[in-house]
Amino acid sequence: DAGVIQSPRHEVTEMGQEVTLRCKLISGHNSLFWYRQTMMRGLELLIYFNNNVPIDDSGMPEDRFSAKMPNASFSTLKIQPSEPRDSAVYFCASSSGPGGRNIQYFGAGTRLSVL
Amino acid sequence: SQQGEEDPQALSIQEGENATMNCSYKTSINNLQWYRQNSGRGLVHLILIRSNEREKHSGRLRVTLDTSKKSSSLLITASRAADTASYFCAAISGGGADGLTFGKGTHLIIQP
Repeated sequence: DAGVIQSPRHEVTEMGQEVTLRCKLISGHNSLFWYRQTMMRGLELLIYFNNNVPIDDSGMPEDRFSAKMPNASFSTLKIQPSEPRDSAVYFCASSSGPGGRNIQYFGAGTRLSVL
Repeated sequence: SQQGEEDPQALSIQEGENATMNCSYKTSINNLQWYRQNSGRGLVHLILIRSNEREKHSGRLRVTLDTSKKSSSLLITASRAADTASYFCAAISGGGADGLTFGKGTHLIIQP
């Protein structure tokens, strides 16, 4: 298995533009997590899905952020409109069970720069 | 889940020495997990220790858990340059249905 695949690896955009980050889960996994990492705030959990259903979105910063799972193996995280303070590395991770009971497998991340 | 707090924030040792990192948490847990992050990469799972376990080994890694002190430690023996990375713990509470919450991590530097 190729592991969790994120795209793009790097994204540079201008303030106000829409940004879409993509994540492909490991085959057979049914939980999906989006994280954001910055020097100031460390690694933050944004949202968590189990069986395509959002379980906890309390970490989503504001309405500009939205996440979906259109099918069991794929997720998107969208920021519209983007702002410079959204610059960070965004990770997704998948696991074979709900929540923190199981090992999470992380993608390589998307480094987002909003100018 | 709850946030684990790693200590120290940074650690620099000579190759071949042992490295010990600590993690503290606040409430009872279902399990505690340690992850490693190399520069510019995603996190990689190292060890999961359940609340009824006291010690676990994996190669050169040894993890202990003291639920009475609400703390865990990660020991890396005979360190190598390739162990240079940031190490994170995540303490999973209750039924374990929540996502993981990480601390700021311990940045480990192994000097050749």
